[in-house]
Amino acid sequence: QITLKESGPTLVKPTQTLTLTCTFSGFSLSTSGVNVGWIRQPPGKALEWLALIYWDDDKRYSPSLKSRLTITKDTSKNQVVLTMINVDPVDTATYYCAHRPTSGHTFDYWGQGTLVTVSS
Amino acid sequence: DIQMTQSPSTLSASVGDRVTITCRASQSISSWLAWYQQKPGKAPKLLIYKASSLESGVPSRFSGSGSGTEFTLTISSLQPDDFATYYCQQYNSLWTFGQGTKVEIK
Repeated sequence: QITLKESGPTLVKPTQTLTLTCTFSGFSLSTSGVNVGWIRQPPGKALEWLALIYWDDDKRYSPSLKSRLTITKDTSKNQVVLTMINVDPVDTATYYCAHRPTSGHTFDYWGQGTLVTVSS
Repeated sequence: DIQMTQSPSTLSASVGDRVTITCRASQSISSWLAWYQQKPGKAPKLLIYKASSLESGVPSRFSGSGSGTEFTLTISSLQPDDFATYYCQQYNSLWTFGQGTKVEIK
């Protein structure tokens, strides 16, 4: 059974760095083809893909946010970490991590999401 | 970047209605298109992938079609549990979501 859970601060001040952790079970990020991605959703708005890390440590980022994002994995801990620098109130959103089984598929299992508010 | 445009933004329907939602891509994405259902306060749920493949456990009243730049999600007979917001997503080149279609009770 695949599960994912996001964790991190609920409140961050503008210009600070946001670090979110996705802890998962039921699969391994060392398995060929497996990916984990991050997606966010501002309150009342649409979903926005942010970043993805492949089983072989290859990475992809949203072009509009690439300069502010870093995605890493710790295979031994079954965790993926997303770091966003220089946050702004427009970054207030629910942040989700999600499992992608192969490169020919898309996100099939999602975490419950964690709401992050950026405010002074 | 590939842009995804859904229509309509809101749809009012009754239980038993046949419902169709359209998604257009700004360039060809072959069949790399997924549909998700999202209810308030919950994570999105994958319904359809590769334009027309039904995800395991999803009721057969949901179906998807299309290729290239135009796609549709059809609910053959709307059920009370189907009132939600639906998103299309392309995964031909990175990942992009549509703006969502809210299906509400008429």
